[in-house]
Formats: sequence, structure tokens, C-alpha cells
Amino acid sequence: QKEVEQNSGPLSVPEGAIASLNCTYSDRGSQSFFWYRQYSGKSPELIMSIYSNGDKEDGRFTAQLNKASQYVSLLIRDSQPSDSATYLCAVNYPGNTPLVFGKGTRLSVIA
Amino acid sequence: NAGVTQTPKFQVLKTGQSMTLQCAQDMNHNSMYWYRQDPGMGLRLIYYSASEGTTDKGEVPNGYNVSRLNKREFSLRLESAAPSQTSVYFCASSDGSQPQHFGDGTRLSIL
Repeated sequence: QKEVEQNSGPLSVPEGAIASLNCTYSDRGSQSFFWYRQYSGKSPELIMSIYSNGDKEDGRFTAQLNKASQYVSLLIRDSQPSDSATYLCAVNYPGNTPLVFGKGTRLSVIA
Repeated sequence: NAGVTQTPKFQVLKTGQSMTLQCAQDMNHNSMYWYRQDPGMGLRLIYYSASEGTTDKGEVPNGYNVSRLNKREFSLRLESAAPSQTSVYFCASSDGSQPQHFGDGTRLSIL
């Protein structure tokens, strides 16, 4: 069964803190991993892609991938109220099949 | 560059009416997808088209039909709408294992 698990939250962090969002998946053969941000009433927006073990940084965002442990995480440094949204993890499982999305983690950054 | 365009943005139907949701992409992507999103349920795949001329069922296909009209366009049809189909519908497109890009969504209410 192709699964992507995320804690639904809400995850509340104070402004300026580091928000840590986690995601686990069920197939070690997966090769591509994505984080989407979805504001309330809006569509999902791609914010990070990661394909190999380790960290990938883009501005205040860092994606971390550990294939041996089958988890991928997203760190948001210096969190801002504008980061308050639902964050969706998506995994590309082996074979020509669509991305599998987690149900998302709702993040609330408190000013 | 419009990306993925969905029409209409809002629609109210009565139970038993039929309707077609339209989706077009201008990124020359091979694959297109239809999702529905309900509160607390995450994104659920209805149907997808891996390439022009092919369509496949997703997680929740019952009550829906799709047509891949050409490489750009992928429509979703509700033949006899039911209140359980009240939802937000998203169309997305991608190329191979690359991340999906989403349209703005259609908010559909069925009375």
C-alpha cells in the first residue's frame, strides 16, 4: 500500500522560531519527494523538491531526506505569520503512477 | 503563461443535474489529474491521464467520467450530481516524475 503519513496538527510555533514538519512514506524505492504549501481557500503550491539523501536549502526553507529511515522533513527558519498554511508532502512511488499526497500538516505561526 | 486553467471557479447544482468541469494546461505536460479535496480528507485522486489518449481511475472514481480531449485539455463530468460530490475540485498537470502544478480549483456545491 502506497502511503504518505503526516501529523495533521495544528502545529503552533511563535514568530521567529523554527517550524519542523515531518513526513514518512512506505516504499524505499521512492525517488522524488515534494513539499507543497496550501493557504486556506487556495490551491497547493510547490515550494521544495528533493531527490537525494541529505539537506536542500532554499531561503528560509530546508528539506531533509533520509531514505534509509523513509522520512522527509521540512524546516522553516524564522517563521512568519505568512507561513501559516497547510503543508502537503508528496512522494513519487516507483512505477508510472501519480504522486501520493499526505493529508497535510496545518501550521500556525503566532505573532 | 497561465499554467493550469480551470473553469468555472464556482458552481451550484441541483441534485441530478449534470456538469462538466474544464481544465487546460499550456506547459506541454503529458500527464493530467483530477482531485477532490474535502475538509480533513486531503487530496483524493479521481482520475488521471498519463498521456494523451489514456485515462485511469484513481482512488475515488465513482460518479465521475473524464475525457482527455487533446494534450492540453482534460475534462471531468458529473452525469448525475449528488450532494456527496460537493467539494473543491483541482486539476493538475505534470511531466513524468516531475512535480504536479495545480489550477486554482472549482468550488462545487450540490443542493
